[in-house]
Amino acid sequence: KAGVTQTPRYLIKTRGQQVTLSCSPISGHRSVSWYQQTPGQGLQFLFEYFSETQRNKGNFPGRFSGRQFSNSRSEMNVSTLELGDSALYLCASSFSRNQETQYFGPGTRLLVL
Amino acid sequence: KNEVEQSPQNLTAQEGEFITINCSYSVGISALHWLQQHPGGGIVSLFMLSSGKKKHGRLIATINIQEKHSSLHITASHPRDSAVYICAVFTSGSRLTFGEGTQLTVNP
Repeated sequence: KAGVTQTPRYLIKTRGQQVTLSCSPISGHRSVSWYQQTPGQGLQFLFEYFSETQRNKGNFPGRFSGRQFSNSRSEMNVSTLELGDSALYLCASSFSRNQETQYFGPGTRLLVL
Repeated sequence: KNEVEQSPQNLTAQEGEFITINCSYSVGISALHWLQQHPGGGIVSLFMLSSGKKKHGRLIATINIQEKHSSLHITASHPRDSAVYICAVFTSGSRLTFGEGTQLTVNP
């Protein structure tokens, strides 16, 4: 089975722009979670999607949004980028919303200039 | 105070040494992940624990739900074990809360 894939792997944007990141979960997995990793804050939960619905959201401003499609692929969007949004964005998939092993993608490294 | 705390933050060992990384959490949980992150950024799940002990090769993980504590042990450490080890707990549904990570360096 193919693992979790994320595109693009690297991205450079400037302040004020917006960005869309994509995550394709492992085939058959219906839950997708997004995380942000920065040197200062470590790994933080952004949101979780299951069956095309956002089920859980972390403490991030409304500039951070996401969605999930019927094939379980997910996208996250960050509008009006700030320098502090520079981070590694990781998505993880699991079969269900039960507390089970999550499988992480390789991440998208975003640099905001 | 963080909900999940790991110790030590940094650990340097010689090849062959026995290594222990500790994780304490302050919230009620039913399961805990141990994760490994290599310099490229990719994260791999090593264990998911809800009770007792699990072993995979040279890695052993234990959890004590009553004491809110988990440990990750590496026996006969090797330079390829050098990575960041992260403890994460399920706090709500599939939501993970992470420790700050332990940077492990194993020297040959």
